[in-house]
Amino acid sequence: AQSVTQLGSHVSVSEGALVLLRCNYSSSVPPYLFWYVQYPNQGLQLLLKYTSAATLVKGINGFEAEFKKSETSFHLTKPSAHMSDAAEYFCAVSPASGGSYIPTFGRGTSLIVHP
Amino acid sequence: DSGVTQTPKHLITATGQRVTLRCSPRSGDLSVYWYQQSLDQGLQFLIQYYNGEERAKGNILERFSAQQFPDLHSELNLSSLELGDSALYFCASSVASNTYEQYFGPGTRLTVT
Repeated sequence: AQSVTQLGSHVSVSEGALVLLRCNYSSSVPPYLFWYVQYPNQGLQLLLKYTSAATLVKGINGFEAEFKKSETSFHLTKPSAHMSDAAEYFCAVSPASGGSYIPTFGRGTSLIVHP
Repeated sequence: DSGVTQTPKHLITATGQRVTLRCSPRSGDLSVYWYQQSLDQGLQFLIQYYNGEERAKGNILERFSAQQFPDLHSELNLSSLELGDSALYFCASSVASNTYEQYFGPGTRLTVT
């Protein structure tokens, strides 16, 4: 069984401030982890993925995430928020083995960026 | 633009009715996935097809069914609709069945009144 918990349904930051969106996972097998972004009235878009290579993963739009096995975390960060980053962010987990490629999504975190 | 198209964008219907949602995958993708996004349940996987065959099943109700046609487009049929079926329904596609990279369509918003 696998699941992800996203801490905070809403995160509010000022433009130029650090963005930190938290994700903790639970998985009975080694996981692959993903962050997706959903802009208003659009589908989900893959931001970045961890598939057991480097633990620090860089994605699109200046986002990165670090896989920390000891903390079972995969938090998403960006050094400086832009207004265009305002969106819903979803963390997801898939088992790295066993033949299932279907992700289990967290409930999402809405990022609000203030000018 | 992911290349995945979904029609219609919005659908309003009454309880007890039946609707069909349509999805066209990205060119070259053989696998199609359906998801339901609601405030109550979040984003839930419903079903996956690969090259016309059902490949994986998630939390799909018996009132719901899907199929993938020879031209690889897919349809999700929802019947005996209830108020609780109101949600955003996403289709995603991938090139193969054993890949983690899925490309999502813009969704169909279903409102049941």
